[in-house]
Amino acid sequence: QQQVKQSPQSLIVQKGGISIINCAYENTAFDYFPWYQQFPGKGPALLIAIRPDVSEKKEGRFTISFNKSAKQFSLHIMDSQPGDSATYFCAASIRGGTALIFGKGTTLSVSS
Amino acid sequence: GAVVSQHPSWVICKSGTSVKIECRSLDFQATTMFWYRQFPKQSLMLMATSNEGSKATYEQGVEKDKFLINHASLTLSTLTVTSAHPEDSSFYICSARGGLAGGTYEQYFGPGTRLTVT
Repeated sequence: QQQVKQSPQSLIVQKGGISIINCAYENTAFDYFPWYQQFPGKGPALLIAIRPDVSEKKEGRFTISFNKSAKQFSLHIMDSQPGDSATYFCAASIRGGTALIFGKGTTLSVSS
Repeated sequence: GAVVSQHPSWVICKSGTSVKIECRSLDFQATTMFWYRQFPKQSLMLMATSNEGSKATYEQGVEKDKFLINHASLTLSTLTVTSAHPEDSSFYICSARGGLAGGTYEQYFGPGTRLTVT
């Protein structure tokens, strides 16, 4: 049973556009929702994370929107750049202390 | 920021041999480390949770006798792939759990180890 569902599988965005990736979770015990960026051959790097006591968190060009009642959260990348081309994973855990459960990933390509 | 290293970054071994991968937290103590496995173009799949000084907890379907995990200190966990076979070829990534800050634990990932079994 997949506990974190991520969509779309791949995404092509023009430079300067907005990239939007969505995730939905099932386990209501999850209370920590990070997004990771991974380049080929590298480990994942934490981009931004949110806890369910807030509905939105912004860090630079990256924003997480969180809808607790719908059990959904999304990543928005504003002013997308070619350097943002990577695979993005959403994840969930309990206070970050348990193992992260990852979505299947979204491959983002930003065309220049 | 907290740094996690892995060694080696890339290893090729012959079928039937064993390979050890090290995961180190360089500037913090990690009571808990996690080992993940990632196949090409797929997501990270949790293999096991490793707590310092105790036996690792393996996920369903992961052979504990094949993937030996040792977490003997607060900065080092090792994964040994015993009697490796070509189907064990994968990208192995560890993460280390840092301290509690603002009610949440941060997890820091290593750069990964590419294992190829010939």
